[in-house]
Amino acid sequence: DVVMTQSPLSLPVTLGQPASISCRSSQSLVFRDGNTYLHWFQQRPGQSPRRLIYKVSNRDSGVPDRFSGSGSGTDFTLKISRVEAEDIGVYYCMQGTQWPYTFGQGTKLEIK
Amino acid sequence: EVQVVESGGILVQPGGSLTLSCVAPGFIFKNYWMNWVRQAPGKGLEWVAIIKEDGREKHYVDSVKGRFTISRDNAENSLILQMSSLRADDTAVYFCARDPGKPNWGAFDIWGQGTMVTVSS
Repeated sequence: DVVMTQSPLSLPVTLGQPASISCRSSQSLVFRDGNTYLHWFQQRPGQSPRRLIYKVSNRDSGVPDRFSGSGSGTDFTLKISRVEAEDIGVYYCMQGTQWPYTFGQGTKLEIK
Repeated sequence: EVQVVESGGILVQPGGSLTLSCVAPGFIFKNYWMNWVRQAPGKGLEWVAIIKEDGREKHYVDSVKGRFTISRDNAENSLILQMSSLRADDTAVYFCARDPGKPNWGAFDIWGQGTMVTVSS
């Protein structure tokens, strides 16, 4: 199984400051079709998860452009350029390259 | 509105069985792979199972193999999770999630609100 490792697990950030979450996979997430099935989800307190970014860097409609995803192979990053209060919650990376799909442990973003 | 709605979660005794349902109004259900994802209280997300559009291919996380069965009824736009030999560590909120499939495998774009399963005596 592909192990997904996020860091940090807790991320206190001052409003208006940037934030960055790392996600590393135990093996390459490049599929035989050339795509990299690494996605990011946000789960706000008391809510269901919501997709933010799919295939490394494709931002979903309605997701503010302060969110961006990057990376390749086994090393990926989610960045928030300027954290806002509505960004608090837990962020998960997930790989869809092979079954079983696996999630990272989650990174809890909180406001300092 | 494109959505999925889960139901069926209850309190069940260890060793018991339970069936969860997910209905999917608002989109062409038979065109999508569908998943179950769970979240234990205060914990992270864990993918549980996936089923192909026509129901002919299924995959499971190791911890539920032989105990859980995913199925679907495309005529009723519904996804099912049959759970047996339930254990305390199966206690979780169970989410139904739509998988866009190729070329966006695993990019779950629609999630339900979840249904809570508690396994306890």
